[in-house]
Amino acid sequence: EVQLVESGGGLVKPGGSLRLSCAASGFTFRNAWMSWVRQAPGKGLEWVGRIKSQRSGGATDDAASVKGRFSVSRDDSKNMLYLQMNSLQIEDTAVYHCVTDALHGENYFDLWGRGTLVTVSS
Amino acid sequence: DIVMTQSPDSLAVSLGERATINCKSSQSVLYSSNNKNYLAWYQLKPGQPPKLLIYWASSRESGVPDRFSGSGSGTDFTLTIDSLQAEDVAVYYCQQYYDTPPYTFGQGTKLEI
Repeated sequence: EVQLVESGGGLVKPGGSLRLSCAASGFTFRNAWMSWVRQAPGKGLEWVGRIKSQRSGGATDDAASVKGRFSVSRDDSKNMLYLQMNSLQIEDTAVYHCVTDALHGENYFDLWGRGTLVTVSS
Repeated sequence: DIVMTQSPDSLAVSLGERATINCKSSQSVLYSSNNKNYLAWYQLKPGQPPKLLIYWASSRESGVPDRFSGSGSGTDFTLTIDSLQAEDVAVYYCQQYYDTPPYTFGQGTKLEI
């Protein structure tokens, strides 16, 4: 089955760290560009970060709002995507979705995971 | 960064009627070399992952009912839902993928019956 399944969310105090994971299946993960997109409570969608495939150079890009605090990585041998979140702030509270353009390969997000909730609160 | 602005923020449409959602980008998302508009539409329902509806501004994703259609070019785009069904209640987002990163979304439009 073609799917993305996130895990690792939870409650964390301001200034804390958390690592999210995303398990991919049903498509050639190693060739896919992968991103994280979040939705804060009552807010819209916000792109967080991206990692290109190794054959495209494997570079990462981050949104300005998380630059220097969050980092995206991948393990192609396990079909896994990660989001390391450090120095978490209250405004990072959101559902985090793992997304990809792997089905069409055209840079729009054609596959989304259900998301994992991250709550930053003291 | 390209700013995406949707209108209205919310709308209520009767069952069987037409819903129209607009999206405006702060700069053109039309790539002249291939004449494609790098604009997508997504549908978000509570408890479900977001769903791709439309890409290239007017191409319908496989499995999406044909009552959903996208139009527009350059900086102005429209998502039209004909003959509104109860299951179409959702929040709809436009997104540009012309100039990334970052990928940018509109603020969302909440559609109610």
